[in-house]
Amino acid sequence: KAGVTQTPRYLIKTRGQQVTLSCSPISGHRSVSWYQQTPGQGLQFLFEYFSETQRNKGNFPGRFSGRQFSNSRSEMNVSTLELGDSALYLCASSLGGLDEKLFFGSGTQLSVL
Amino acid sequence: SQKIEQNSEALNIQEGKTATLTCNYTNYSPAYLQWYRQDPGRGPVFLLLIRENEKEKRKERLKVTFDTTLKQSLFHITASQPADSATYLCALITNAGKSTFGDGTTLTVKP
Repeated sequence: KAGVTQTPRYLIKTRGQQVTLSCSPISGHRSVSWYQQTPGQGLQFLFEYFSETQRNKGNFPGRFSGRQFSNSRSEMNVSTLELGDSALYLCASSLGGLDEKLFFGSGTQLSVL
Repeated sequence: SQKIEQNSEALNIQEGKTATLTCNYTNYSPAYLQWYRQDPGRGPVFLLLIRENEKEKRKERLKVTFDTTLKQSLFHITASQPADSATYLCALITNAGKSTFGDGTTLTVKP
């Protein structure tokens, strides 16, 4: 069974640009969550999608948005990039139950210059 | 405000000893608590889950306890090995399904 796939693996952008990150969950998983990881803030929850609907949301500005497609693949978009958006962005998939373990991808390392 | 604290950023122990990692929380009512392992450049990997009505869970050399009165979880690795060196994260999950991770503890097991 293939794991969670995130693309691209690395990304370099400049301030003000926008970026779209992609996540393909494990087959059969209907929940996809996104996290931002930085050395100073740790792993911060962005949002979770389940069956194409946003089910939970963290405390990030509206510049961070996401969506989920009917095949459960998910994309995350960050508009008007700021230097502080430089981070490792991780997505995780699960079957969707509250007590389900999360399967993480290897992440997209975003650098904003 | 809600807060999750994992004991010191770094923990160094000798091979063969038991490593004990702590996860304390305030102003949370978690339904579940999970522990993950993260290696450099990789995403976290699930290790154990414990429910609010469970006191202890074991899996091979791993043991986790959950004390909702103390608002604390302890994660033990017995007979530790250098291969156990990694960052360990605790995560609290509420009944609404929202997960919050601690900052992690980096464990180094020296041969």
